[in-house]
Amino acid sequence: GAVVSQHPSRVICKSGTSVKIECRSLDFQATTMFWYRQFPKKSLMLMATSNEGSKATYEQGVEKDKFLINHASLTLSTLTVTSAHPEDSSFYICSAERGGLAGTTYEQYFGPGTRLTVT
Amino acid sequence: AQSVSQHNHHVILSEAASLELGCNYSYGGTVNLFWYVQYPGQHLQLLLKYFSGDPLVKGIKGFEAEFIKSKFSFNLRKPSVQWSDTAEYFCAGLYNTDKLIFGTGTRLQVFP
Repeated sequence: GAVVSQHPSRVICKSGTSVKIECRSLDFQATTMFWYRQFPKKSLMLMATSNEGSKATYEQGVEKDKFLINHASLTLSTLTVTSAHPEDSSFYICSAERGGLAGTTYEQYFGPGTRLTVT
Repeated sequence: AQSVSQHNHHVILSEAASLELGCNYSYGGTVNLFWYVQYPGQHLQLLLKYFSGDPLVKGIKGFEAEFIKSKFSFNLRKPSVQWSDTAEYFCAGLYNTDKLIFGTGTRLQVFP
C-alpha cells in the first residue's frame, strides 16, 4: 500500500507555455502533499506544502504565481508551472503524507517524479 | 539553521564489501531521521527511520543505521553490498514540523 503516482512522467514544452503535473495518492487519503524540485547531483528542495482545501505554503524563494498548486481533494494535488522557461527544466517530485492511523508514525510517500524540459 | 549533510558524494564498492554512508544533522530540538533510496529510474523509497528508542535501527534489504546523539550522526550501514544496491541514498531529518530536510545524497556504485 501507500502508492503515489505522478502524471506525466516526462513532458517537453515550449517556452512561455504552462504545464500541469498531477500527484495522486492511490490507496490512501493525504491531507498534506509536498512538492519538491530535484536538480542534477543535488538534493531535493522543498518547494511548497499543499494542504487539502487550503492555500499552499511556499518555501522562501519559490514564486507562488509561477508554481501554482491546487490540492482539490484528499487524493490529488496539482502543480502548474506557468509561463515556463528553460530554467524551470528540472525533475519535480511530489510526496504525500499519510496520517490519522493509530499506532503509526509519520511517513511521506514519494511519487516517481516528472521530468520537465522547457525548450 | 536546520540542516542535514552527507559528506560522501560518490562511493564505489565491489560486491560483498561493507558500506557506511555518513549523515550528520544540525541541532534543532527533536529530530526524526530517515534514510531513503532512489534506484535508477525509480521513486524514493524509505529504507529506515528513527523516531525514538533503540538507536540502532534496522531497515529493509539488510540496511541499518545508528543514531548517535553525541555526534549528531545517523550513518547508514550494510555489511555486504550487492550490485543491486547501486542507487542514490538520501538522509533526511524532520525537525518539529512535517517538512523533511534532505541531505545532498550519496551516489553508490557497486561493481560485480
